[in-house]
Amino acid sequence: NAGVTQTPKFQVLKTGQSMTLQCAQDMNHNSMYWYRQDPGMGLRLIYYSASEGTTDKGEVPNGYNVSRLNKREFSLRLESAAPSQTSVYFCASTLKGTGGYEQYFGPGTRLTVT
Amino acid sequence: DAKTTQPNSMESNEEEPVHLPCNHSTISGTDYIHWYRQLPSQGPEYVIHGLTSNVNNRMASLAIAEDRKSSTLILHRATLRDAAVYYCTYNQGGKLIFGQGTELSVKP
Repeated sequence: NAGVTQTPKFQVLKTGQSMTLQCAQDMNHNSMYWYRQDPGMGLRLIYYSASEGTTDKGEVPNGYNVSRLNKREFSLRLESAAPSQTSVYFCASTLKGTGGYEQYFGPGTRLTVT
Repeated sequence: DAKTTQPNSMESNEEEPVHLPCNHSTISGTDYIHWYRQLPSQGPEYVIHGLTSNVNNRMASLAIAEDRKSSTLILHRATLRDAAVYYCTYNQGGKLIFGQGTELSVKP
């Protein structure tokens, strides 16, 4: 049982390049989330997926797109990376997003945009 | 959006209890209160959650005010491994909105 896995662990992009961050969970969870964390700051929600087939915007969705590929996988895409997107990205999942269940977080992807 | 207020930092001595406060005055009656902690260079880790009653688990206790506008995370005996940033948040509309958290340092 690996929990929540994220790939890659580290990535350096040039401004304007695109990339997809991958997230997978093996806990049969329904809800999945993408957060970003800037240095010395708390987490900010980018997008979430309450269940397979649905996605919704969080606090900071601009510049990102997501795909809930199936129940296990939730990917985050940067179409044209900008230096302001330099951050650590965390994926999380929970059994149901109703609040009565804990969220499990992945180890994070450290992204630098130059 | 959900908003919580926590002290920026707190200090504790090893093996003493720690009470970490949080205000969440905009919480509604069905929103669960969650606490997470984050060690350096790691993803956040679940600590505890509750709705109305006080809750205990192997890591901590959660005391929820009667009006639910505040809560306190209690670590009964702080260890050096408890040094982390602790986030209080609550679930609103299927999502958790995190604040800045409290950085807890533990002195030996």
